[in-house]
Amino acid sequence: QVQLVESGGGLVKPGGSLRLSCAASGFTFSDYDMSWIRQVPGKGLEWLSYITSSSSYTNYADSVRGRFTISRDNVKNSLYLQMNSLRAGDTAVYYCARCAIFDRDAFDIWGQGTMVTVSS
Amino acid sequence: DIVMTQSPDSLAVSLGERATINCKSSQSVLYSSNNKNYLAWYQQKSGQPPKLLIYWASARESGVPDRFSGSGSGTDFTLTISSLQAEDVAVYYCQQYYSSPPTFGPGTKVDIK
Repeated sequence: QVQLVESGGGLVKPGGSLRLSCAASGFTFSDYDMSWIRQVPGKGLEWLSYITSSSSYTNYADSVRGRFTISRDNVKNSLYLQMNSLRAGDTAVYYCARCAIFDRDAFDIWGQGTMVTVSS
Repeated sequence: DIVMTQSPDSLAVSLGERATINCKSSQSVLYSSNNKNYLAWYQQKSGQPPKLLIYWASARESGVPDRFSGSGSGTDFTLTISSLQAEDVAVYYCQQYYSSPPTFGPGTKVDIK
């Protein structure tokens, strides 16, 4: 079945770094654009970053631009989010999401999420 | 950025009754060249990721029960659950994909009365 599985979350100190991974299965990963979206527990959803199917174009929310880097490996069917200079405000559940065929800024498949906690 | 608002914040509806959620965008999400509203609805059950229900404001995603329907145009949209079932207890989010960054509403919590 179509599935996205995130990993790499955990506890990190302010100023630290973390790399999230998202393993895709059940569909042709290289055909789809992908995004990262986060959610503070009990709060709303915030889109973070986008990458095209061929990695030719990326985009970021202002809140993470210059600190986070999105990438992908279509051979490994994997999406990544390198997070540097982490702050307490980055504490959230991080979801990878498949961008819908009908529009890259809508999301038709979501992973279960991985929790990132930034605290000293 | 386009700001999305939702009302009410929460609502409780009896089983089998209608639930209506409103969503408003700070600017129109209707693209005149194709007459499509760039508006989606998601359902998030407790402890789960969001699930796409509706796109283009009124198109139902495959597998979504027909008791869920979306309507509206421009800046004002509605998600209707025609006959609430126990499994519909969730938080519902609207989202615009008209312009980047894509933005979500704050969510509406639906419970059973």
